[in-house]
Amino acid sequence: DAGVIQSPRHEVTEMGQEVTLRCKPISGHDYLFWYRQTMMRGLELLIYFNNNVPIDDSGMPEDRFSAKMPNASFSTLKIQPSEPRDSAVYFCASSNAGGRTEAFFGQGTRLTVV
Amino acid sequence: RKEVEQDPGPFNVPEGATVAFNCTYSNSASQSFFWYRQDCRKEPKLLMSVYSSGNEDGRFTAQLNRASQYISLLIRDSKLSDSATYLCVGGNWANNLFFGTGTRLTVIP
Repeated sequence: DAGVIQSPRHEVTEMGQEVTLRCKPISGHDYLFWYRQTMMRGLELLIYFNNNVPIDDSGMPEDRFSAKMPNASFSTLKIQPSEPRDSAVYFCASSNAGGRTEAFFGQGTRLTVV
Repeated sequence: RKEVEQDPGPFNVPEGATVAFNCTYSNSASQSFFWYRQDCRKEPKLLMSVYSSGNEDGRFTAQLNRASQYISLLIRDSKLSDSATYLCVGGNWANNLFFGTGTRLTVIP
């Protein structure tokens, strides 16, 4: 049974470029979370979806960040334009009961903006 | 103020020692609590849920104190393989999951 799948695993890009991170949640899970992890701030919730609908995007740092979930099996997190301070590990997680149960994480995308 | 706060450590303990981590949460409406484990350069994975009555899983014991709004994790007889970062997590009925910044544990031979 496949877990949460994220791509790419690593991304190095130049400042100002657009970056798109992808996530495929576990089949049957109706909650999807995007997190960002840095040494300084730990794991920060950016946005989460329920049944493909964005519920809370208050953690999205600024307008340069956007997320979509066009269907139950795919979500994207886009940064445009990217900046060096966006460098972090971005995790996608899914669950079948929101904050009431275990969330399963993908392996993350390590983003470096130079 | 962060929803969930924990001491970042690091905790360096000898093999066989008992170590305890505490975590506080700010939202009294939080309903679900968990401890996750994260190995270096890996994703977080659920270690155990935390129930109101306290629960134990082998060498690991988790407790919840709603009055004081804190959660604890006790690890007995530490093994080298317990070395990792332990993340305290609170969930609410708005279905957010809030993670603490993690406590790093190193078990020394």
